[in-house]
Amino acid sequence: AQTVTQSQPEMSVQEAETVTLSCTYDTSESDYYLFWYKQPPSRQMILVIRQEAYKQQNATENRFSVNFQKAAKSFSLKISDSQLGDAAMYFCAYRSQPITSGTYKYIFGTGTRLKVLA
Amino acid sequence: DTGVSQDPRHKITKRGQNVTFRCDPISEHNRLYWYRQTLGQGPEFLTYFQNEAQLEKSRLLSDRFSAERPKGSFSTLEIQRTEQGDSAMYLCASSFGSGQLSYGYTFGSGTRLTVV
Repeated sequence: AQTVTQSQPEMSVQEAETVTLSCTYDTSESDYYLFWYKQPPSRQMILVIRQEAYKQQNATENRFSVNFQKAAKSFSLKISDSQLGDAAMYFCAYRSQPITSGTYKYIFGTGTRLKVLA
Repeated sequence: DTGVSQDPRHKITKRGQNVTFRCDPISEHNRLYWYRQTLGQGPEFLTYFQNEAQLEKSRLLSDRFSAERPKGSFSTLEIQRTEQGDSAMYLCASSFGSGQLSYGYTFGSGTRLTVV
């Protein structure tokens, strides 16, 4: 079974600085998807960025980028030029390739609470 | 269409009562998912529908839980004889998919259940 581990329960970053959130996962599959979701307090989960395992190039979305190390099963999120609005719970998630697993479910880590200091 | 809607936003119930939650997915989405999120944890998968067919259920979905999607549109999640351990946020998500492909995976804001 696949697992996702986020070892940082809480992180703080100064506004305009850069922060990296860590995520490791365990799987025996070779093809899968990885995601970072943001969950502001009392609000819905929002997709931040996704990475297909077959792609070697790291995904980027504006100020958000990932460092995907497939061999190490590591998937960290870097937030550059942090803004107050980035404060939220961040979840790393794994999804199998349905053709092999027959499932479309996500497996989430326990989350990292990001605080942005003014 | 403004996204995935869940009703109610909050529900407080006494132990032993039955509760039902509703999820309205994005209208063109054929796939619908239920997750449970307890305090300090990430969401955990409960069940998945493609159209009206329930194709996957987690072991977390005990006999007291039942989910339906009768016409392939909205879905309901019922918990019978609630227990304090059922207190959680229940999240619904939907996507459009064909075969392996899945687009627009979108979460609702959730229903927070408190069992007293």
